[in-house]
Amino acid sequence: DAGITQSPRHKVTETGTPVTLRCHQTENHRYMYWYRQDPGHGLRLIHYSYGVKDTDKGEVSDGYSVSRSKTEDFLLTLESATSSQTSVYFCAISERSGTVNEQFFGPGTRLTVL
Amino acid sequence: SQQGEEDPQALSIQEGENATMNCSYKTSINNLQWYRQNSGRGLVHLILIRSNEREKHSGRLRVTLDTSKKSSSLLITASRAADTASYFCATAHPGGSNYKLTFGKGTLLTVNP
Repeated sequence: DAGITQSPRHKVTETGTPVTLRCHQTENHRYMYWYRQDPGHGLRLIHYSYGVKDTDKGEVSDGYSVSRSKTEDFLLTLESATSSQTSVYFCAISERSGTVNEQFFGPGTRLTVL
Repeated sequence: SQQGEEDPQALSIQEGENATMNCSYKTSINNLQWYRQNSGRGLVHLILIRSNEREKHSGRLRVTLDTSKKSSSLLITASRAADTASYFCATAHPGGSNYKLTFGKGTLLTVNP
């Protein structure tokens, strides 16, 4: 987890409230990702970023938005949280060198939406 | 849609035995990677094998890749209790977004002392 932090680590919120999760890196990597992990589904990509202010949708982006105003920070916002968004959220970073693109993961944020 | 599918979903072995996990994918790849996740932690990269490679070793890990069958296997030799974790394969595919990875659902490995 070195070089990548996520905050908060745990959060309980009510349905309908907005929630923002933060990912911070000190590695100066270009690419950043938000995943959610749910039993039976493995890891699914929500949004990713390929540079400052450059973001795109992943496979499960509905209900989520992201922003990246600095290289080191990637924010994930749940506009109006729903119970189906209860999950563990992981941020990851990577740098690409040729076809090598291993990802480094943060410690995760456990979000519960009541 | 998810590409990698690990098999088996769960595996329980005794310490000292070898553990083999398999991964199948659907479309051509640039590389395939294996990650480990200990309970309650983030994923950790273990090993990467490129599409033009057939076998790779790293310590007690051995990865094979058969692109004709679109499958890979991860072998952990002489397993230890500390190897207990979930193992995921992840694939990188050709194209403009080839820095992205698609993860499978994982194999839960339990190594009993």
